[in-house]
Amino acid sequence: EDKVVQSPLSLVVHEGDTVTLNCSYEVTNFRSLLWYKQEKKAPTFLFMLTSSGIEKKSGRLSSILDKKELFSILNITATQTGDSAIYLCAVADNNAGNMLTFGGGTRLMVKP
Amino acid sequence: GAVVSQHPSWVICKSGTSVKIECRSLDFQATTMFWYRQFPKQSLMLMATSNEGSKATYEQGVEKDKFLINHASLTLSTLTVTSAHPEDSSFYICSARDTYGYTFGSGTRLTVV
Repeated sequence: EDKVVQSPLSLVVHEGDTVTLNCSYEVTNFRSLLWYKQEKKAPTFLFMLTSSGIEKKSGRLSSILDKKELFSILNITATQTGDSAIYLCAVADNNAGNMLTFGGGTRLMVKP
Repeated sequence: GAVVSQHPSWVICKSGTSVKIECRSLDFQATTMFWYRQFPKQSLMLMATSNEGSKATYEQGVEKDKFLINHASLTLSTLTVTSAHPEDSSFYICSARDTYGYTFGSGTRLTVV
C-alpha cells in the first residue's frame, strides 16, 4: 500500500520567514510526486516532480525530489500572509492507474 | 489549461434524501475521474475511481450502494450520496487526469441536517 507522510503537521511563521515542508513516501512503482496548495476550496497545482535532484521553481516557491531517499521538500521564501494554506503532497503509482495517494497535509499560517 | 467543473458548490439536504454531485471536464476527455472526500482539518481521502463506460472502483470502507458513481460519458462523472445522513456531511472533490497532471473540481460542501 502506498504511503505519503508530510511534516510538520502545522506551522506558524511570520511574514518574511522561509519555510521548508517535507514529504516522504513509500510507493510500489513511482511515477511522480505532486505538490498542491489548498485554501478554502479545491487544491491548486504547484509542482509535479518526476526526476531526482532537479529543482522546480515558481516565484518564491521551489521544490526538489530525492528518489533515493524517497522524499521531497517544498520551500517558500519571503513568506506572505497569502501563503497561508494547507500544502498537500501526493504520489502517483504506475501500478495504481492514475490514482493519487495524498499525505495528511501541512497547515501553514503566516502572521503579519 | 484543463478545467474541471463541479457543481453544486454547496448543498444542504435533509437526512434520508439523496444528493447528486456532477463533475465535468470542460476541454478534455477524462476516461478516469477520481472522487475524494475531505473532513475538516484532514487531507483528501480517495473514495472511488470512476471509469467511463464501466463500474467504478471503490476504496476499502466506502459503501458502493451508498455512494453511487456513474461515468456515462468521457466528460461527465456523477456521485450520488443516497439516503444521506449527518455523518456524510463533508467536502467532496473530483479530479481528472489531463495531459499535464491532475485537475481538480472546485468541490462540493455537503451538509446533511
